[in-house]
Amino acid sequence: EAGVAQSPRYKIIEKRQSVAFWCNPISGHATLYWYQQILGQGPKLLIQFQNNGVVDDSQLPKDRFSAERLKGVDSTLKIQPAKLEDSAVYLCASSFSPGDQPQHFGDGTRLSIL
Amino acid sequence: SQQGEEDPQALSIQEGENATMNCSYKTSINNLQWYRQNSGRGLVHLILIRSNEREKHSGRLRVTLDTSKKSSSLLITASRAADTASYFCATQGNDMRFGAGTRLTVKP
Repeated sequence: EAGVAQSPRYKIIEKRQSVAFWCNPISGHATLYWYQQILGQGPKLLIQFQNNGVVDDSQLPKDRFSAERLKGVDSTLKIQPAKLEDSAVYLCASSFSPGDQPQHFGDGTRLSIL
Repeated sequence: SQQGEEDPQALSIQEGENATMNCSYKTSINNLQWYRQNSGRGLVHLILIRSNEREKHSGRLRVTLDTSKKSSSLLITASRAADTASYFCATQGNDMRFGAGTRLTVKP
């Protein structure tokens, strides 16, 4: 089966600019996750979708971050405006269902803020 | 905030030796999962152990879970250079929380 696809792989922007990341989960996976992984740390959950509804966005900085999964398949994560502290790898993952299921990760987008 | 804490932060061993990584956590969980991450890549799921299980095996991997001590361990036997990666534990309660990981280096 095809894995989780993410694009772009790398992005360099200046602070205060906006940026968007795209994720295509594994076919049939209802649950989609966006994580932020700062260098040297483990992934931190930003938002979790079940189909096209938000299950958990408690750690999403909503003043600058937004995410959507309009048709319950692809998802986009946006940052506007970006801050220096947003430099990180943004990982997308999907699972067949939430909870007791392994998550399948894409290779992420490495974001550098200048 | 991160739930699990891995120990050690870094581990360097020779090929053929066993590698043991530990994970401690603070709150009650439904399951605990271990993932591997190679440099520049996404995480790969290794093994899931449920809160009512004590031990699981998968190939050269052995995971134990002690819910009374809120701790888990991952043992990789007969390590290979290809096992060089970062290893993360993740606890599944109301949400999924990852630790900071153990960086394993296996020298040929």
